[in-house]
Amino acid sequence: GNSVTQMEGPVTLSEEAFLTINCTYTATGYPSLFWYVQYPGEGLQLLLKATKADDKGSNKGFEATYRKETTSFHLEKGSVQVSDSAVYFCALNTNAGKSTFGDGTTLTVKP
Amino acid sequence: EAQVTQNPRYLITVTGKKLTVTCSQNMNHEYMSWYRQDPGLGLRQIYYSMNVEVTDKGDVPEGYKVSRKEKRNFPLILESPSPNQTSLYFCASSSRGDSNQPQHFGDGTRLSIL
Repeated sequence: GNSVTQMEGPVTLSEEAFLTINCTYTATGYPSLFWYVQYPGEGLQLLLKATKADDKGSNKGFEATYRKETTSFHLEKGSVQVSDSAVYFCALNTNAGKSTFGDGTTLTVKP
Repeated sequence: EAQVTQNPRYLITVTGKKLTVTCSQNMNHEYMSWYRQDPGLGLRQIYYSMNVEVTDKGDVPEGYKVSRKEKRNFPLILESPSPNQTSLYFCASSSRGDSNQPQHFGDGTRLSIL
């Protein structure tokens, strides 16, 4: 079956530090890849997506590139803020309607 | 406002007492899905629906039922809840079931089964 593996957390950074959260996947066919963010007490919100190989998704300073050769979709941000503190989920969708999520990575940004 | 609404938000109940968690979306979305979120396990898909009267099992369907009689509603039914179903549940929807559609999530329902 499909699977998504995220780097283990939690991750603690100082404000303005560089962020990388690793995500690798296994899937049959050609999935679409997503990063979602979850703030305390809320549901997940879409952060960015990429639907085919070499696509780069970006939003709010976050970026991730769909790398088919390494089956990866790592999330990066050049300068994090305290307000970026949240749980981040990597996910994939298939055309069959099934969705697979990673375990989530908790990010804490300290002033 | 476009949203996915779940009710109740919190529920404490006892083993064996049937319960239903409702989910409604106002975006005319075809696709809806239920997930449970457990520490260290991320989100796991329980059931999904590609359209009205079309439902299918996700990765952890045991002990759950769903129905999709109307496009906007997708209730999750626990016929005989057990303590291992204590979890945080999320309903989600997307415009279609094809892979490039992101999902919109409700705010979650925290269930405690004693």
